[in-house]
Amino acid sequence: GESVGLHLPTLSVQEGDNSIINCAYSNSASDYFIWYKQESGKGPQFIIDIRSNMDKRQGQRVTVLLNKTVKHLSLQIAATQPGDSAVYFCAENISGGSNYKLTFGKGTLLTVNP
Amino acid sequence: EADIYQTPRYLVIGTGKKITLECSQTMGHDKMYWYQQDPGMELHLIHYSYGVNSTEKGDLSSESTVSRIRTEHFPLTLESARPSHTSQYLCASSERGGPRNTQYFGPGTRLTVL
Repeated sequence: GESVGLHLPTLSVQEGDNSIINCAYSNSASDYFIWYKQESGKGPQFIIDIRSNMDKRQGQRVTVLLNKTVKHLSLQIAATQPGDSAVYFCAENISGGSNYKLTFGKGTLLTVNP
Repeated sequence: EADIYQTPRYLVIGTGKKITLECSQTMGHDKMYWYQQDPGMELHLIHYSYGVNSTEKGDLSSESTVSRIRTEHFPLTLESARPSHTSQYLCASSERGGPRNTQYFGPGTRLTVL
């Protein structure tokens, strides 16, 4: 079946460095992607999204890049802070029609060292 | 910040008990979802609803049941809890239509069945 997966299960960075979290997806029909952040003991929190008609989208300290050719998604966090420590999930969806379900990847644990 | 609530946050019960996990949202979203998540693992969709009186089973088989009598309320029930039901249960909702299917999550209920 179709799936979304992450290249790295864990990532450890120094405070102030930039972080890059990667995600591969296999459903070429997916046209909407979301990054979620999940802190320990909490529900996933929306960070940023991107539609397939874009290659890049920027938010506050975060940037999402989409490479449709190789079906790859990445989340870049600038000047990583201890509060960024969490598990990050990518999710995909095929918008339109009657399918409103998201397919989630396995998650990457980001640890920020002070 | 999404207005979606789950109660209880933590629940420890004995085998064989009937339990209901509550989920409410105040955003008027027509679509709601239940996910099961083990610690450090991916999210698995167990139930979803696209509107009042509409419920569907998700991708992961679950012995739980759901109901959707009111737009804002989507409770999940386990008739007879077992230790294998020990997990975190996350509720989410998303709005009607539009090109994006962003789901907003509640804080989760951590269930432990002894």
